[in-house]
Amino acid sequence: GAVVSQHPSWVICKSGTSVKIECRSLDFQATTMFWYRQFPKQSLMLMATSNEGSKATYEQGVEKDKFLINHASLTLSTLTVTSAHPEDSSFYICSARLFDRGRKDTQYFGPGTRLTVL
Amino acid sequence: AQKITQTQPGMFVQEKEAVTLDCTYDTSDPSYGLFWYKQPSSGEMIFLIYQGSYDQQNATEGRYSLNFQKARKSANLVISASQLGDSAMYFCAMSSRLYGNNRLAFGKGNQVVVIP
Repeated sequence: GAVVSQHPSWVICKSGTSVKIECRSLDFQATTMFWYRQFPKQSLMLMATSNEGSKATYEQGVEKDKFLINHASLTLSTLTVTSAHPEDSSFYICSARLFDRGRKDTQYFGPGTRLTVL
Repeated sequence: AQKITQTQPGMFVQEKEAVTLDCTYDTSDPSYGLFWYKQPSSGEMIFLIYQGSYDQQNATEGRYSLNFQKARKSANLVISASQLGDSAMYFCAMSSRLYGNNRLAFGKGNQVVVIP
């Protein structure tokens, strides 16, 4: 249980184009999903919290117009990198929150998407 | 604010031996959760183990156990009987209500290489 998928797993695009990344919780419903960015040999940096049916909450320094997040259903959140530039090249990874009452509140991660902008 | 510290350099571990990965944390919230994740070279983040701040016993999940010392604010991960597949980066993370909405704060990670 607690499987999260991400699509695509990798993408190469030209500078100026937009790229959409999907994050799905396959066997549970997630009212909250999270988007992270990870540079090589570094830790995960939280970009935003995605809440089903409401606007995402962005971390300080993350441009909301650059990184559009939509959480349209309890199993799907999307991150769109608009007008991508080479500095946006990174590993993007999502997680979905599973809250099991009386037990624990855990984030389960997708496999990540490697974005390369030429 | 909450902070996670992982300062060990990369580690080489002999197969079948145990390894301990250090993690210290800092928070003013009395209620928090501590997590360990494994990230192999493929990039996926694999949830390993969870410890709640009010849990009386140390968490265990198969070969993984968490040495939780609340007064010292440490949550070290112990991997017993290391296997070649354990080679990966290991991240300690913490959530708390004060930090908001169960966001996770991650440490910088520990690199582990298991050698045959």
